[in-house]
Amino acid sequence: SQQGEEDPQALSIQEGENATMNCSYKTSINNLQWYRQNSGRGLVHLILIRSNEREKHSGRLRVTLDTSKKSSSLLITASRAADTASYFCATDRYNFNKFYFGSGTKLNVKP
Amino acid sequence: DAGITQSPRYKITETGRQVTLMCHQTWSHSYMFWYRQDLGHGLRLIYYSAAADITDKGEVSDGYVVSRSKTENFPLTLESATRSQTSVYFCASTPGSGRPGGLTEQYFGPGTRLTVT
Repeated sequence: SQQGEEDPQALSIQEGENATMNCSYKTSINNLQWYRQNSGRGLVHLILIRSNEREKHSGRLRVTLDTSKKSSSLLITASRAADTASYFCATDRYNFNKFYFGSGTKLNVKP
Repeated sequence: DAGITQSPRYKITETGRQVTLMCHQTWSHSYMFWYRQDLGHGLRLIYYSAAADITDKGEVSDGYVVSRSKTENFPLTLESATRSQTSVYFCASTPGSGRPGGLTEQYFGPGTRLTVT
């Protein structure tokens, strides 16, 4: 089974609003990463947060990590139509040199 | 060109045929991965490689074979294609484990859309 699961599966908001998506995972991790996928394209790395970090920012992105709850959230502030995409979390499980992806959140930002 | 490339981008094949998907990266990254993505789903790991001549199975490796004789190439072969292998296949690479921090970001190729009829 997949390591990470995103919630919600789909999210529709207006331009300018904030978008929050969550990721839950099952085992200890080295780090957690978020990726974006535009329709029909490959995934693009957004941000990485290590297991000993609790929060990280990159531009309009804010990621939090709660290892006690085995969960992470991705906040996109002041969303734009160009943010319309699917967002995936990926975990690098401790002692395993591979990634596990969740099923993704499909974000639609309406202009 | 620098980066990670996949070929072909689109492929239609018949059930039972052998198909090879190519992946090439120019960064000399240690780790390479093959994933499949089915409609409406996330990525599932097929195979990965930590270095040349070192490969290991992922979640859904049955029916697939990989090799890595050179660091920059990581071909994926479907030995006898089945309709259930119709999918989009992504190759990715990452520089290394960066221990103790774990694997760093992955760089993805554009994908190969494979249809098995």
